[in-house]
Amino acid sequence: DGGITQSPKYLFRKEGQNVTLSCEQNLNHDAMYWYRQDPGQGLRLIYYSQIVNDFQKGDIAEGYSVSREKKESFPLTVTSAQKNPTAFYLCASKGQGKAANTGELFFGEGSRLTVL
Amino acid sequence: GENVEQHPSTLSVQEGDSAVIKCTYSDSASNYFPWYKQELGKGPQLIIDIRSNVGEKKDQRIAVTLNKTAKHFSLHITETQPEDSAVYFCAATSPRDDKIIFGKGTRLHILP
Repeated sequence: DGGITQSPKYLFRKEGQNVTLSCEQNLNHDAMYWYRQDPGQGLRLIYYSQIVNDFQKGDIAEGYSVSREKKESFPLTVTSAQKNPTAFYLCASKGQGKAANTGELFFGEGSRLTVL
Repeated sequence: GENVEQHPSTLSVQEGDSAVIKCTYSDSASNYFPWYKQELGKGPQLIIDIRSNVGEKKDQRIAVTLNKTAKHFSLHITETQPEDSAVYFCAATSPRDDKIIFGKGTRLHILP
């Protein structure tokens, strides 16, 4: 089945450790996104990528890093510099690339990160 | 950059009644306005969208209206059912970049 897969579903981390969240899609989509969801805050954009080997900062990029070496994959690293990393992280992909900015976002089921 | 405001944050309606959720946006260049529904423990899913060249769009019990002059758009759900209980997000996209900016969400409760 085509879709977008995030792993792990739940992750626990000690303070000061980096952690990488995986996001893979087999929809042949050009654009991929990472959002952070906190209660009452909605979905806030961390990073997005419109094409392989290119990505842009979203509204809350500090303390996060990404890579886009393959079209199918867009991993997110939560670094120790992120002051409040406990949250629900959602990855999404979109069919249209840079030439057209409209289109449906397909979301994964999310990864819940808890810092102990 | 774009900013999207969504109201109310929580909405309770009796089953069978209508529900309305409202959003405003700041970037007049935005031209695509989707609505997503998120059920507990899952990622959001698109339920309806509208583009800036259209004022209204309907899909069965769901409709969306757009007022470009006032920069606001609304989601209307008629004849609400228990399965409509969820969190709903509006969003806006500008052709300046490929960002999709979401509102803070509305938790909709359908009361029996």
